[in-house]
Amino acid sequence: KNEVEQSPQNLTAQEGEFITINCSYSVGISALHWLQQHPGGGIVSLFMLSSGKKKHGRLIATINIQEKHSSLHITASHPRDSAVYICAVGRERSGGGADGLTFGKGTHLIIQP
Amino acid sequence: NAGVTQTPKFRVLKTGQSMTLLCAQDMNHEYMYWYRQDPGMGLRLIHYSVGEGTTAKGEVPDGYNVSRLKKQNFLLGLESAAPSQTSVYFCASRRQGPRQPQHFGDGTRLSIL
Repeated sequence: KNEVEQSPQNLTAQEGEFITINCSYSVGISALHWLQQHPGGGIVSLFMLSSGKKKHGRLIATINIQEKHSSLHITASHPRDSAVYICAVGRERSGGGADGLTFGKGTHLIIQP
Repeated sequence: NAGVTQTPKFRVLKTGQSMTLLCAQDMNHEYMYWYRQDPGMGLRLIHYSVGEGTTAKGEVPDGYNVSRLKKQNFLLGLESAAPSQTSVYFCASRRQGPRQPQHFGDGTRLSIL
């Protein structure tokens, strides 16, 4: 079982719809990251969360530490939001182990006009 | 503001050839990472460095070597390329300390024939 699971894998929606992408993880974390990867490949950091909720423009990210679950929401979706959205976690390192992020497989989002 | 720069962007190699991928960051970050991204899988950590002159293994280090002779540069070497190393390689960097976001380069697409 992957330590970071995202759902759905693929999502196609109409412009203007409210989008939710989910991420569940099974390890202790120091922080959870939401990343965006556009066609052509560059990866951009959207949010880093260790508790609660963050908002940036039309994007909202929430995390529930007790349930080990995070969601990324997009309000009033637009075709330019089409991208792969990746959830990643930074592990707690109290027990040692490698630094770096552990990634989900990504959610491929297409917003149709 | 260049951020994280990877060179080259594309490369085709024959099995057994060697090459070095260069990652350069201009943000004075202590930590640097090399990841690989393969279809149907999340990004995976190859090697990382927590400072100049130090390197450590990640999740999938076999077949790769790294060096961090200067703080701003992190080199990834393939001594004898294999088709299984066909992938997109991403470099990332971040500041020291917990809960710091990672900044990614645009990736290097490498094909091994």
